Formats: sequence, C-alpha cells, structure tokens
Amino acid sequence: QQQVKQSPQSLIVQKGGISIINCAYENTAFDYFPWYQQFPGKGPALLIAIRPDVSEKKEGRFTISFNKSAKQFSLHIMDSQPGDSATYFCAASIRGDYKLSFGAGTTVTVRA
Amino acid sequence: DTGVSQNPRHKITKRGQNVTFRCDPISEHNRLYWYRQTLGQGPEFLTYFQNEAQLEKSRLLSDRFSAERPKGSFSTLEIQRTEQGDSAMYLCASSLQVNTGELFFGEGSRLTVL
Repeated sequence: QQQVKQSPQSLIVQKGGISIINCAYENTAFDYFPWYQQFPGKGPALLIAIRPDVSEKKEGRFTISFNKSAKQFSLHIMDSQPGDSATYFCAASIRGDYKLSFGAGTTVTVRA
Repeated sequence: DTGVSQNPRHKITKRGQNVTFRCDPISEHNRLYWYRQTLGQGPEFLTYFQNEAQLEKSRLLSDRFSAERPKGSFSTLEIQRTEQGDSAMYLCASSLQVNTGELFFGEGSRLTVL
C-alpha cells in the first residue's frame, strides 16, 4: 500500500504559469519530505526537501508548503519553464534510515 | 564521472532465466539502496545496505531476489527464475549515513522479461 498519495497524475501548464502538486501521508513518524525530479531515461534527482519543523521552504522557483496537522505537503513551481517538464515525485522517510516512500508521480508538461 | 553507475542499462531475458545487476555507488557513500520502478509509478524500496551489512529488506523482495554488497563497495542484485512481473526499472541509490538525507540515484537498469 502506498504510504504517500500524490495528485494530480499529470498537469499541463503554460510557460510562466504556476504548477502545484499535492501529497498526503499517514505515517506520523515521517520527518523528512523531499521532492525528486525525474527526466525520461534518468534516475530521480533531489529537487528540494523539508523537515516538519518549518511550514515552508523556498529554493529559487520551487517552494514546498508543509501542513503537519493535515499531514499534507505540496510543491509549487513558479514561473514554469519548458525545461521543468519532467515527472515529479514526493517522498517521505523517517530520519536516520532515509528509506524513502515515494508517491506515484506527477508528469508536468510546460507548454511554450 | 563520479555519480552512481549501474550496469547493464538494459537487459532482455526469457522467463525462468537468472539476471544480475551491478551498482557502483559514489565512492565515499556508505549507504546503498535498491529500488524498483514500474511504468507510471514511483520507485518502491527493495533493500538497503550500510557498508557491507544489509539492514532491511522489503516484503517486495521475494526469495528469488538476493542482494549483496561485498566489502561495502559495489552491490549486486540477482533475480533468479525471472517472471514477467519482474519487468521494471531497477534503481540504485547511495548516500552518506549522516547527511541531509539526499539519495543520489543512478540511471537504472531496465529489465524486460519475455
């Protein structure tokens, strides 16, 4: 059973628009929440990560929002660019083993 | 290239055959992970090593699967008596035990069982 549920499965956004991907988890022991980006034929690569002691983390055009009480977190991609077209996975793990439980992924297509 | 290296990148085999995949992690990384990814899904955890010790195995890892990491360096994942359901991308990742938690993934080994 999937421990992290991710939506939507896919989205299309115009260049310059905002992409929003949502994830929810059940295991309250999770304390590390990364987002990975994967291009076709490549392995996933860490994009940005957050721990539950903060509600938001921003790195460039990418922002994670975290709601501990709702057990939800989301990725916002601002000013989306064609190069952002990829599959994005949210994940969660318990600090120490970093055995990641991944969501099913969201394929983002940015139209020029 | 100092990233995680996986070989072979593609393997096509007939049902019932054995296959072995190799992963060479980033040299100073003491943790090594194997994941399986099927089309349209996120990676699923299979097993991980800290140095040469295999610390955990997922229930997904049936007795036909075996992983080793001799001397705490490269790792191998062997699948015996392959089944069509084993067709997937097998991803290897490595990390430092005490770090930010970032896993560095290889490009994967794609298995097709006919």
